[in-house]
Amino acid sequence: AQSVAQPEDQVNVAEGNPLTVKCTYSVSGNPYLFWYVQYPNRGLQFLLKYITGDNLVKGSYGFEAEFNKSQTSFHLKKPSALVSDSALYFCAVRGGHTGRRALTFGSGTRLQVQP
Amino acid sequence: GAGVSQSPSNKVTEKGKDVELRCDPISGHTALYWYRQSLGQGLEFLIYFQGNSAPDKSGLPSDRFSAERTGGSVSTLTIQRTQQEDSAVYLCASSLGQAQETQYFGPGTRLLVL
Repeated sequence: AQSVAQPEDQVNVAEGNPLTVKCTYSVSGNPYLFWYVQYPNRGLQFLLKYITGDNLVKGSYGFEAEFNKSQTSFHLKKPSALVSDSALYFCAVRGGHTGRRALTFGSGTRLQVQP
Repeated sequence: GAGVSQSPSNKVTEKGKDVELRCDPISGHTALYWYRQSLGQGLEFLIYFQGNSAPDKSGLPSDRFSAERTGGSVSTLTIQRTQQEDSAVYLCASSLGQAQETQYFGPGTRLLVL
């Protein structure tokens, strides 16, 4: 079985400060990892993914994430937060090439960026 | 190009009635997924279609739920004899067929069962 943990229900950060949203995962074999963002009354928007290769993945809107195999983590980061980054963030995993195609999502982390 | 579209955007129904939710995937995407987002359960996988292969129905919560995909494109999720616990946002996603491909989500259908 595959699972994702997002240990923080909410993260608060001041505008201009760096932000981190944590994610750890459990999956058989090599993981495919994804981050999505959800704004109020909207669907999920894709931010970035890790499939293979460089452990540091860069995505949309200045976000990046670092894959750490030994810690089974895939934390989302941004060097300087914007008020407009305030939203609900979901980490998701699926097993690698032969794993189940459906994504397993974490419970979500609400990011609040204060002006 | 156009993204994934879903209709209706909102649906209010009475307990015991049947509902149909529609998803139009991105053109050329062979894989289509249905998920459900609810307060108590978070984001749950329901069903997955890939080309002409048999769908993966392992996430459907009961036999009241069914889905079909006609002509490899549009999909309809049907919930029979709706219950209040079916109230949720139903999200559809599509992707190219390869395992590593990104799933792109539609805006969802918000279902409220009274």
